[in-house]
Formats: sequence, structure tokens, C-alpha cells
Amino acid sequence: QKEVEQDPGPLSVPEGAIVSLNCTYSNSAFQYFMWYRQYSRKGPELLMYTYSSGNKEDGRFTAQVDKSSKYISLFIRDSQPSDSATYLCAMTGAGGSYIPTFGRGTSLIVHP
Amino acid sequence: GAVVSQHPSWVICKSGTSVKIECRSLDFQATTMFWYRQFPKQSLMLMATSNEGSKATYEQGVEKDKFLINHASLTLSTLTVTSAHPEDSSFYICSARGFGQGSYNEQFFGPGTRLTVL
Repeated sequence: QKEVEQDPGPLSVPEGAIVSLNCTYSNSAFQYFMWYRQYSRKGPELLMYTYSSGNKEDGRFTAQVDKSSKYISLFIRDSQPSDSATYLCAMTGAGGSYIPTFGRGTSLIVHP
Repeated sequence: GAVVSQHPSWVICKSGTSVKIECRSLDFQATTMFWYRQFPKQSLMLMATSNEGSKATYEQGVEKDKFLINHASLTLSTLTVTSAHPEDSSFYICSARGFGQGSYNEQFFGPGTRLTVL
């Protein structure tokens, strides 16, 4: 079993839809949880991060962490075609070198 | 701020040749740089971690003699793929982390270099 599991998709939704992206993990030591967006042939860019459990909102994006279930989510409201990209979850432990473990990414397609 | 560049963005080479990829932090001093490899529809695979002025730490299964990493300054790290073969064709991405940059020692990623070995 991989440490971080993420459905690669693709996930295709109409413009304006609410998108839910998810990851599960097995390492209970993970404390920091991140979501990166990666456009085709580009490097990842950090979208959001959360520490421990709870929700965090930033504009149209909401990140949720449920440590008891080892499950994290990213919600995108009012999705736009420009949101079409691959979304990677990543997580690290509380100490050490903070090198994240990445999921394989979910490809999102928002069609007009 | 916190911009990382990579050069070249795309390179094609013949089998058996060596290719050097540069990673630069443009507006901050990168105490640590990371090199990743990414295959299509796959996750980022960490290859090595390098700290300025010291030898790189390679992940298990990554051949250090094939993937030479040099982190000679606080703004530049290079990855040299020696005697490249078609199976080395991939998307190589670097990231940099600087003391005090971003949150929880956030990594800032470069735009990636696509290597095609014929």
C-alpha cells in the first residue's frame, strides 16, 4: 500500500460545478497537508496547506483534513476552465526535513 | 517572490551523451534544493536532496553516478544525467527551500525540464 493514495482521474465537470478532490494516507505521523496545482508541462505551485485536522478556506478553494480517517479533501467552488490542471496532494511529518510525500495527482477538466 | 527557474525547459539528446540541467533560485537563497522526476500521470518522485556546499543525499534506487548533483552556491544547483539512455526520458523538476521563505519550510518548484533521449 502506498503511503498516499490519490485517484488519477480524469475528473471532468461542467463550468460552475463544485469539485471534490481527495487523498487518503496511511502514515499517522503526517501533520502538514498541502495541495499543489500543476498545469501541463509546468512545475507544481502550492495552492493551500493545513496543519493537523480542520478546514481552511481561500477564495473558491477549501481544504479539509480528517486525521481520524486519514483523509484529506480539496473543494473548488464555481469551477472555471482555468482550473483545469492536475492537483497533487502532499503531506509531511511534524519534524525532520519536511520533505513531502506526494500523491500521484488527479487530472481535472472543467469544460465550458 | 520565491521564484525558481530551470534551464533548459526542453532538451533532446542522443543516447550516450550527458545532459546538464540548471536550477536557480532567483530572489532568495536556497539552503536546500530538491530534484524530482515525474513520469506521465505519475507522482513526483524525489531523486535527491542537496544542501549548499555538501554532497547530495540520494533516495534509494537512484544511481548517484548517473545523476550527478552539484549545489555549489546558494542560488544554483545542477543535475547532470550522464550517459543518458531512452529510459532516462522524463520530466525533471527542481524545487528550492530557503530559510525563512514561505511557511513550514515551503518548497518552491521550478517549471521543469523535459528530457527526451533518442
